[in-house]
Amino acid sequence: GAGVSQTPSNKVTEKGKYVELRCDPISGHTALYWYRQSLGQGPEFLIYFQGTGAADDSGLPNDRFFAVRPEGSVSTLKIQRTERGDSAVYLCASSPGGRVGYTFGSGTRLTVV
Amino acid sequence: SQQGEEDPQALSIQEGENATMNCSYKTSINNLQWYRQNSGRGLVHLILIRSNEREKHSGRLRVTLDTSKKSSSLLITASRAADTASYFCATDESGNQFYFGTGTSLTVIP
Repeated sequence: GAGVSQTPSNKVTEKGKYVELRCDPISGHTALYWYRQSLGQGPEFLIYFQGTGAADDSGLPNDRFFAVRPEGSVSTLKIQRTERGDSAVYLCASSPGGRVGYTFGSGTRLTVV
Repeated sequence: SQQGEEDPQALSIQEGENATMNCSYKTSINNLQWYRQNSGRGLVHLILIRSNEREKHSGRLRVTLDTSKKSSSLLITASRAADTASYFCATDESGNQFYFGTGTSLTVIP
């Protein structure tokens, strides 16, 4: 596609539930990133994929968070047993690889009630 | 963790004036980027400056980088109401991920 697509744009879930957030990167972009942004803060790095593998998952806050990119294109961020503190905008970005700028999606606003 | 820190946190100017925002960081970097964000959603990449560059221009944007002071500035000339947004710097410590600061909220008053 022309840009990075994230779905859903908004998600409200109850505490303790499982959620999946999807990111469809720009076609041909090998690098994919997930960031989380809380209100009034800058984006915080979660995980980086190069192709199908997670090259760096050091930003995942705990083992409730997991992300996959099985075919090197679409990625899914999975959050188990959601907590109210998980409420944030989850941003996905892709790049052709190397030290160049990212293209970000519009994000998924997750609200845990 | 967040490495970059923008200053000021908020800036309000009249249309037509220039807006300057600064970014300071802590460790050595290879590149520094500036992004713009409207309404807390997707970020738009504005400009990337490499550590061996001192200044870069793109339209009404001018970015400087001083690696000895570990700081960068973003200048927007002849501001417009449509420039109202939050602006973030992002630096790379290692690998390919970038670390963002907390941003400067710019308001341009028509």
